[in-house]
Amino acid sequence: AQSVSQHNHHVILSEAASLELGCNYSYGGTVNLFWYVQYPGQHLQLLLKYFSGYPLVKGIKGFEAEFIKSKFSFNLRKPSVQWSDTAEYFCAVNTGGYQKVTFGTGTKLQVIP
Amino acid sequence: GAVVSQHPSWVICKSGTSVKIECRSLDFQATTMFWYRQFPKQSLMLMATSNEGSKATYEQGVEKDKFLINHASLTLSTLTVTSAHPEDSSFYICSARVGGRQMNTEAFFGQGTRLTVV
Repeated sequence: AQSVSQHNHHVILSEAASLELGCNYSYGGTVNLFWYVQYPGQHLQLLLKYFSGYPLVKGIKGFEAEFIKSKFSFNLRKPSVQWSDTAEYFCAVNTGGYQKVTFGTGTKLQVIP
Repeated sequence: GAVVSQHPSWVICKSGTSVKIECRSLDFQATTMFWYRQFPKQSLMLMATSNEGSKATYEQGVEKDKFLINHASLTLSTLTVTSAHPEDSSFYICSARVGGRQMNTEAFFGQGTRLTVV
């Protein structure tokens, strides 16, 4: 069965700092990978996704993630965070068809002005 | 993107009563919907996969007689928490994928339902 690990549970950054959130998954086959964001009081929204092709994917709001197959990783990055990026970030993996989307435990990001 | 709507957004019920939560795909047809439960400070845990016109597939440890799922149409799935108890208090979230069996599709999420059982 697939699983997803997010190593950072709570990250505090100052505005303009660079961000990298770790995500590792366990599944030997073809995967789809996602990062979702949940702003305070709002529902989950898709930040970016990787299905196939070039391993560096760009999402909304300046976020990007790199799929490294050999490391089973899909880390999320942003060069310069803003206060409005304060939210909880979930990495997720899907292994196709009707298969479920499995979520990591989430990382709470707090950006200090 | 596609829109998934959940109703109600929050509900308070007495212990022993049943509560129904609706999940609708507003601008697409969803042959498959998913029901998640999110405990405070934890991730989303998949409860069951709801398939239109057939029985839901429940994850291990989820009581199918307690969490009744009905997916009567291509745009509506319902989750009924029967004989609710305080430990059922949680945040319930549904999602639906555009494209059904296709692998390369993303899931869209409802806004969630906060259930409080008193």
